Amino acid sequence: DGGITQSPKYLFRKEGQNVTLSCEQNLNHDAMYWYRQDPGQGLRLIYYSQIVNDFQKGDIAEGYSVSREKKESFPLTVTSAQKNPTAFYLCASSNRGVASTDTQYFGPGTRLTVL
Amino acid sequence: AQSVAQPEDQVNVAEGNPLTVKCTYSVSGNPYLFWYVQYPNRGLQFLLKYITGDNLVKGSYGFEAEFNKSQTSFHLKKPSALVSDSALYFCAVREGTGGFKTIFGAGTRLFVKA
Repeated sequence: DGGITQSPKYLFRKEGQNVTLSCEQNLNHDAMYWYRQDPGQGLRLIYYSQIVNDFQKGDIAEGYSVSREKKESFPLTVTSAQKNPTAFYLCASSNRGVASTDTQYFGPGTRLTVL
Repeated sequence: AQSVAQPEDQVNVAEGNPLTVKCTYSVSGNPYLFWYVQYPNRGLQFLLKYITGDNLVKGSYGFEAEFNKSQTSFHLKKPSALVSDSALYFCAVREGTGGFKTIFGAGTRLFVKA
């Protein structure tokens, strides 16, 4: 998982509550990504960012928001509008951006559970 | 639209036997192909990738994969399985020309029995 940290490892959310998942990387990568993983499904892209202060929606952005104020940080907020947020969330980064051959490297993940 | 399929939910092999985890893909241009491994409650670890060149790609932990353009496949292989190889394996594809999104398969769980 080296170079990318996610916190917390486990997170519990009450109905109607917003929560923020942290993702930090020290790899000096330009691009960062958030994925959602559900059992029996592949990873689904929530948001991605190619440079600071810029980000784009992925396939399942509804109910989520992000910011990219610093190169090394890409926090994800799960809002109360996300109706089924219980999942494993993975952050990733890559060197030269989404349209390159560069490999994505993943953090250890955050498991979010709605109470 | 690009897609990737892993036809087996689970693969069982005995330790010391060769293993194969299958992956087929669909893209409109040249593919970039990746294999990742995931251990329980962990992030994905990169194993290997195919961009261009030799169809046989060697990666981490003794794994290799063969790119077959005519069959649109990128199967993951290892000559001799270890119990510690037991994990969830993901194949991923990105369209090489102008593609910006990586599509992941649903994953194949590998069980290696001692």
